[in-house]
Amino acid sequence: GENVEQHPSTLSVQEGDSAVIKCTYSDSASNYFPWYKQELGKRPQLIIDIRSNVGEKKDQRIAVTLNKTAKHFSLHITETQPEDSAVYFCAVIVEYGNKLVFGAGTILRVKS
Amino acid sequence: EPEVTQTPSHQVTQMGQEVILRCVPISNHLYFYWYRQILGQKVEFLVSFYNNEISEKSEIFDDQFSVERPDGSNFTLKIRSTKLEDSAMYFCASKGLVASPNIQYFGAGTRLSVL
Repeated sequence: GENVEQHPSTLSVQEGDSAVIKCTYSDSASNYFPWYKQELGKRPQLIIDIRSNVGEKKDQRIAVTLNKTAKHFSLHITETQPEDSAVYFCAVIVEYGNKLVFGAGTILRVKS
Repeated sequence: EPEVTQTPSHQVTQMGQEVILRCVPISNHLYFYWYRQILGQKVEFLVSFYNNEISEKSEIFDDQFSVERPDGSNFTLKIRSTKLEDSAMYFCASKGLVASPNIQYFGAGTRLSVL
């Protein structure tokens, strides 16, 4: 089955700096790549997603890039703010299925 | 904005007892899911449900687990005889077919504590 690796497991940045989280996947049939933000004790919330026919997508301070050849995708957060502190999970959906396969998560701490 | 709602928010039970976790998916959504998250770990898929039947299940979803859509609005997860290792946060999710066909919307979760 699909396997998703996520790095780093923890990331500390100064407020205003950029943060980058990377994920790799194993199944070349994966075609949908969402990123979820989870604050302590709360539900995962979708913050951005990308489909396999697109290489990059931006939404204000957040962007996702996808390299299908290398089977990896990354989340980029610019001008980080303390409220960006949370756990971020990447996930994939394989073309022939509909379950989300999650990465292990990255704890992002933005220091003010 | 419509939301997936889950009840209860926290369930405490004794080992061996049956529990039912309840979910009300977003109306007009057709795909329903249960995921679980053991404290400090990643979210894991349990089961997906479409057209009144299970469409996919994981190895975690053994004979102790079952799902049901008893009426047009509720979607339940039953654990027949809970074990200590069932302690986790259980998330329900739902997905529509139009507009954003891939996006799964998560409920706030039920924290299950098995003592």
